[in-house]
Amino acid sequence: GIQVEQSPPDLILQEGANSTLRCNFSDSVNNLQWFHQNPWGQLINLFYIPSGTKQNGRLSATTVATERYSLLYISSSQTTDSGVYFCAVLDSNYQLIWGAGTKLIIKP
Amino acid sequence: EAQVTQNPRYLITVTGKKLTVTCSQNMNHEYMSWYRQDPGLGLRQIYYSMNVEVTDKGDVPEGYKVSRKEKRNFPLILESPSPNQTSLYFCASSLAVGSPLHFGNGTRLTVT
Repeated sequence: GIQVEQSPPDLILQEGANSTLRCNFSDSVNNLQWFHQNPWGQLINLFYIPSGTKQNGRLSATTVATERYSLLYISSSQTTDSGVYFCAVLDSNYQLIWGAGTKLIIKP
Repeated sequence: EAQVTQNPRYLITVTGKKLTVTCSQNMNHEYMSWYRQDPGLGLRQIYYSMNVEVTDKGDVPEGYKVSRKEKRNFPLILESPSPNQTSLYFCASSLAVGSPLHFGNGTRLTVT
């Protein structure tokens, strides 16, 4: 089945810094989503991005399906950006396959 | 407000005592799903439903039951909970399979 790998596993940054999180997947997909799990455990859908680039405020995401990766960019990080970021892709059985996540800590 | 509502948020119970975690969505979504999240194991799917009266097993269905009698509700039933079912549970829904997934706030279950 499809393998989903996220990097880095952990990232610690100062407030105001920019960051790039990566999601690699082992097979072609036509569906990819990014999620943020905040320190209180809530899971929020950030982007539905099977291909191309999308932006939402300080966050943007790019998926290059032909090269099997997606990037999540966070600019001017704030402490509220802390948490775990997950990517998930849809496999041929219509099941979401999840990455292990990137744990982001933004220090004030 | 469009949302997925799970109840309760926290639940402490004893081994063998049947319990139900409710999940309701007000977005007319066809697809609903249950996940459990454990440290080091990530999110694992328990059951999912592509539409009313249609449910299927996910990766870790043992010890759980679900039903989808109405489009908006998808309860998770633990007939005889055991300590290894102590976990953080999430209900999620989307317009259709593969559409953007929306999560409830989670239910933290402890089975002693």
